[in-house]
Parts: sequence; C-alpha cells; structure tokens
Amino acid sequence: DIQMTQSPSSLSASVGDRVTITCRASQDINNYLIWYQQKPGKAPKLLIYAASTLQHGVSSRFSGSGSGTDFTLTIRSLQPEDFATYYCQQSYTTLLTFGGGTKVDIK
Amino acid sequence: EVQLVESGGGWVKPGGSLRLSCAASGFTFSNTWMSWVRQAPGKGLEWVGRSKGKFDGGTTDYAALVKGRFTISRDDSKATLYLEMTSLKIEDTAVYYCTTGIDVFDIWGQGTMVTVSS
Repeated sequence: DIQMTQSPSSLSASVGDRVTITCRASQDINNYLIWYQQKPGKAPKLLIYAASTLQHGVSSRFSGSGSGTDFTLTIRSLQPEDFATYYCQQSYTTLLTFGGGTKVDIK
Repeated sequence: EVQLVESGGGWVKPGGSLRLSCAASGFTFSNTWMSWVRQAPGKGLEWVGRSKGKFDGGTTDYAALVKGRFTISRDDSKATLYLEMTSLKIEDTAVYYCTTGIDVFDIWGQGTMVTVSS
C-alpha cells in the first residue's frame, strides 16, 4: 500500500494567518491527491482533487499544489470556520489510503 | 437533494457480526461507485472498500485489514449499499461512513457508530 504522511500533525494559527500543510506519498502518485476538511462530529468535506483542482463551492482561500510525492494544501488568510482537521488521500492505486491528518486549531 | 443515510451500527462482541446499510437518494445509485470509510475514535480516516456501479461490473475491492471478513453489496432497486461485517475485532470499532465517487469522495453520510467490545 502507498503510505501517506502529513506534517505537521497539528498546528496553532491565528485568524488571518497563511497556513501550509504538507502531504508526502511513499511513492510517485502523479497528481492523484485529494484533500478533505473534517470538523468535530461531522463527515469529511471534499476540498481539492487532482492535487490542485478546487471542488465546486469551496472557498478560493484554499489551494493545493504538488506532483509526484510531495504535496501542499495552503489556506490563505485563515478564517474562523477553517479550524478543523485536514486529510490528504491518494487515488493512484486501487487500494486507497489517507494521511494521518493535520489538526488546525486556534492560537 | 443528494443524501446518504447510514444505519445498523451498534454494540457487538468480538467475533460477532453486524450489517450496516446506507440509503441513497437524489442521484442515479445504480451507476454510482460507492465506498465505505471508517474512523476509529480520535483517529484518522481509513478506506474500507468499494462497490463499483453496474456499468463497471458492480465488483468490489477491499482494504487488506478487512478483506475476507467484510463484504460490500448493493441493492440497486432499493438504492441501498450494505456492509456485512463478520469476525469483528476490537480494532474495528469506528464510525462507518458511506460515500460516493470512484476515488474522490464528494458526498458523505452522517456515519454510524460500531463498537466492538466484550
């Protein structure tokens, strides 16, 4: 299975900050990388697919980049509703795998 | 409105069995690939397996940890996805979500909790 490693596992930030989360794949996955946001007690929400394509209806504060093994999710000007846990997921292989998550909380 | 509603969760002893259901509405279920994703308490997301749509043969794939113990099926006439879980282990304790998509999951249910404990 392809292992997905996110860093950091948690971070504290303030409203208005620029936040960057990294996801690394254990092998080349081209651009088959997806990002989700999950708030406590809720189901995940799709943010970005194909590494950089914003899902319809998602704020343009969110952006994704990367290819191969290294990917980033950037939140430009963090808003109160952005405090959540973020997960990456690879879709390169039939057997799908997620990263361990990055919790973004309030500084 | 596109909606997924899971049911069937509960408490079961190790070695026991349980069947989860996911009722779909608002889209053409029979053509849609469906997956189960679980999340243990306080942990991350884990893909459990998928059922392909009828045009793609309706076959299934499973994560290694559940292969041979879990079975995914679907009743297209009822727009319902199932997850039959047998030989349950304590580590299967989780919220189980059903979700739509080939490998990018855009619609999710609210989840149903499964607790495996003696």
